[in-house]
Amino acid sequence: DTEVIQTPKHLVMGMTNKKSLKCEQHMGHRAMYWYKQKAKKPPELMFVYSYEKLSINESVPSRFSPECPNSSLLNLHLHALQPEDSALYLCASSQDWALNTEAFFGQGTRLTVV
Amino acid sequence: QQQVKQSPQSLIVQKGGISIINCAYENTAFDYFPWYQQFPGKGPALLIAIRPDVSEKKEGRFTISFNKSAKQFSLHIMDSQPGDSATYFCAATEYDKVIFGPGTSLSVIP
Repeated sequence: DTEVIQTPKHLVMGMTNKKSLKCEQHMGHRAMYWYKQKAKKPPELMFVYSYEKLSINESVPSRFSPECPNSSLLNLHLHALQPEDSALYLCASSQDWALNTEAFFGQGTRLTVV
Repeated sequence: QQQVKQSPQSLIVQKGGISIINCAYENTAFDYFPWYQQFPGKGPALLIAIRPDVSEKKEGRFTISFNKSAKQFSLHIMDSQPGDSATYFCAATEYDKVIFGPGTSLSVIP
């Protein structure tokens, strides 16, 4: 099973709402990632978790809060977002970042902030 | 500053032709170079990848050529098909970061 599962597929939220994006993988991967992708642009790295510890935060605003409850799950908590945060949010995982193995991406959550 | 450069931005190829996408990088710490294919509304899917100690890798119709001294690499899609129409991203990894190029929109016309 080489699947990264993201839920929900679509999300519309107001600027005062709190919501969470979820990601899970059962490939035994120890590195998990959140990327943000705007239309016609490449994915931009937001966060990296390695062995359930946050290893990289690419200067992401605090209204985005990642969480890694266990080695299979990754969440992204959203609060007080702005309309410009509307994008496709992608989760990815890889076996171990130190081994430079392939990163598998989920299908993404299409987020619209109104 | 764009760490991974990619060209062309868009490409139109006739069915059966060869599609060629070129990428270049500056950071010599990059040590793994994957290519991703992305269809509209979907996440990127890994196509093929290469390490810098290899000059060429072929998988089916897809070939990566790698020139370490020039810090350039390219993707060749042989016998291009309409189903290959998608956005292609070259990428480079350093430790736990995957850095994407800006992407190439490929259209294969019948």
